[in-house]
Amino acid sequence: EDQVTQSPEALRLQEGESSSLNCSYTVSGLRGLFWYRQDPGKGPEFLFTLYSAGEEKEKERLKATLTKKESFLHITAPKPEDSATYLCAVQAGRDDKIIFGKGTRLHILP
Amino acid sequence: AAGVIQSPRHLIKEKRETATLKCYPIPRHDTVYWYQQGPGQDPQFLISFYEKMQSDKGSIPDRFSAQQFSDYHSELNMSSLELGDSALYFCASSENTGVTEAFFGQGTRLTVV
Repeated sequence: EDQVTQSPEALRLQEGESSSLNCSYTVSGLRGLFWYRQDPGKGPEFLFTLYSAGEEKEKERLKATLTKKESFLHITAPKPEDSATYLCAVQAGRDDKIIFGKGTRLHILP
Repeated sequence: AAGVIQSPRHLIKEKRETATLKCYPIPRHDTVYWYQQGPGQDPQFLISFYEKMQSDKGSIPDRFSAQQFSDYHSELNMSSLELGDSALYFCASSENTGVTEAFFGQGTRLTVV
C-alpha cells in the first residue's frame, strides 16, 4: 500500500535554530513529491516540487532534497513567521493519485 | 494571479440536511481534487475529476457526490449530513500535463450541528 510518513509530528525550535523535517515514502512509481505549508484554517500553500533523486530546491530559508526513499525539508535560521504545518505529498501510481503525509507542526519560538 | 476559489467559506448545517460546496479552479486547469481535513488531521482525498470525468475516488462516503461542469468548476454535494462530516473541505486544481503540483483553495469550513 502506498504510504507517506512524516516526522517528527511536531517540532519546537528557537528562532535561528536550524533543523530538518523528514518525509519518507513507500509508493509504486513515484512521479513527483510536493511540499506544502499550511497555516491554521487555511488551504495548503505550495512550496516545492521534486521529481528525481538528487534534486534540490531552495526558497528563502527552506531547502528541499529528495532521495529514492525520502525527502528532507531543511529550514535554516528560522523565524517565528515560519511556524506552520508542513505537509509532504507524493504523486504516484498508474492513476497519479496524490497522497499526503500527516504533516509536521513546526513552532518557532522568538 | 488567479487562485482556486471555493464557496461558501463557512457553512453551518443541521444533521440530516444537505450541503453543496463549490470550487472554481485556476483558469486552464482541467483537473480538480476534493479533500476533507478534520481537526489536526492531514487532508484526506475524496474524489478527483479530469476533463469533466471522474478520474479517481478515495474515501468519499456514498452520501456524497460530486461532478465537474463544462466550465471546469466542480460541486461537492453532501446529503444526510452527520456530525462527523464537520471538517474543512479543500478543493485543489492542476493542469493534467505530466507531474504538476496541485494548488489549493482556502477551503470551506462545514459545521454540522
